[in-house]
Amino acid sequence: DAGVIQSPRHEVTEMGQEVTLRCKPISGHNSLFWYRQTMMRGLELLIYFNNNVPIDDSGMPEDRFSAKMPNASFSTLKIQPSEPRDSAVYFCASSLSFGSGQFFGPGTRLTVL
Amino acid sequence: KNEVEQSPQNLTAQEGEFITINCSYSVGISALHWLQQHPGGGIVSLFMLSSGKKKHGRLIATINIQEKHSSLHITASHPRDSAVYICAVPYSGGGADGLTFGKGTHLIIQP
Repeated sequence: DAGVIQSPRHEVTEMGQEVTLRCKPISGHNSLFWYRQTMMRGLELLIYFNNNVPIDDSGMPEDRFSAKMPNASFSTLKIQPSEPRDSAVYFCASSLSFGSGQFFGPGTRLTVL
Repeated sequence: KNEVEQSPQNLTAQEGEFITINCSYSVGISALHWLQQHPGGGIVSLFMLSSGKKKHGRLIATINIQEKHSSLHITASHPRDSAVYICAVPYSGGGADGLTFGKGTHLIIQP
């Protein structure tokens, strides 16, 4: 298995632009998580899905952030409009079921200028 | 929301030393995770445990549910163990949650 796949691996954009991050979970995994890592705040949960349904999005920082999971093999995290403070590494993780171990993708390093 | 405290934040040791990293949390949980983040940024899950002790190679993780405390031990440490070790627990304590994380322990093993 290829593991959790994220794209792009690096994204540099200008303030005000729309950014879309993509994640393909491990096949057969039912839960998907989006995390963000910054130097100041460490790793933080943004949102997670179970069977493609968003369960908790209380970690999403503001309305500029949205996430979707249209099917079991694909999820997106969108930021519109982006701001410099959104610069971070965004990780996607998946797990076989609730309460089981999570497998992390390689992350997307986002820089907003 | 569960709060996670890790100690120490930074640890430098000589090759061969026994390493202990501690983690405490505020809300009762179903399981605790230990993660390793390599210098290149990738995150690997080391352990998920809900009671007692687990061992994998030179790594040992223990948890005391009553005291809300876990430790990660590394025996016969090696420079390749240098990484950030992160403790994580379910966001609100249950099993059906995303994770909330400690700040991490930055470990450097010198040859």
